[in-house]
Amino acid sequence: QQQVKQSPQSLIVQKGGISIINCAYENTAFDYFPWYQQFPGKGPALLIAIRPDVSEKKEGRFTISFNKSAKQFSLHIMDSQPGDSATYFCAASYGARQLTFGSGTQLTVLP
Amino acid sequence: DSGVTQTPKHLITATGQRVTLRCSPRSGDLSVYWYQQSLDQGLQFLIHYYNGEERAKGNILERFSAQQFPDLHSELNLSSLELGDSALYFCASSVGSFTGELFFGEGSRLTVL
Repeated sequence: QQQVKQSPQSLIVQKGGISIINCAYENTAFDYFPWYQQFPGKGPALLIAIRPDVSEKKEGRFTISFNKSAKQFSLHIMDSQPGDSATYFCAASYGARQLTFGSGTQLTVLP
Repeated sequence: DSGVTQTPKHLITATGQRVTLRCSPRSGDLSVYWYQQSLDQGLQFLIHYYNGEERAKGNILERFSAQQFPDLHSELNLSSLELGDSALYFCASSVGSFTGELFFGEGSRLTVL
């Protein structure tokens, strides 16, 4: 029940395209859903986060869509750029508990 | 730069040995988390300390132990190392005991030969 399932494992998108990464969870107690971005040789860094009281959150080209009934959330990267090439992790937590991370998606944006 | 410092960046050792990984959290952060990142298992939570006290344990092996010192830096001790312990070990910090935003260091890459 603590698992967060992430797909796809890898994604190749043309510059200017839309990148979509999906995550699903089982534990309905989860109340915080962040996305982390990790560049090679670096640690993950918070990109954007959402709580279940809203269905969508947008920050620049990055949007989280949240579907509470389906227990799914996704990251959309609009107008994808080569500089967005990185590994993206979804995560979830509740209360004061630690983040449970998805398995990661390696995004490559072709120039 | 996240403000979280991890040493060493790289470590190569042999099976059966013991190593210590060190983490200095961001200034003012009281929580330290340790995560293990391997190719096939993503980021696995190991342990969480808040202001010197253990708050949560994840899938941490009995051969592994950690502590957080009064100056808030933390150490992760890995003993009786096995080939499968080869991984990136990340430390993260946050202001409070509620996870919220974690600030990750750049990791310590451990290779066990």
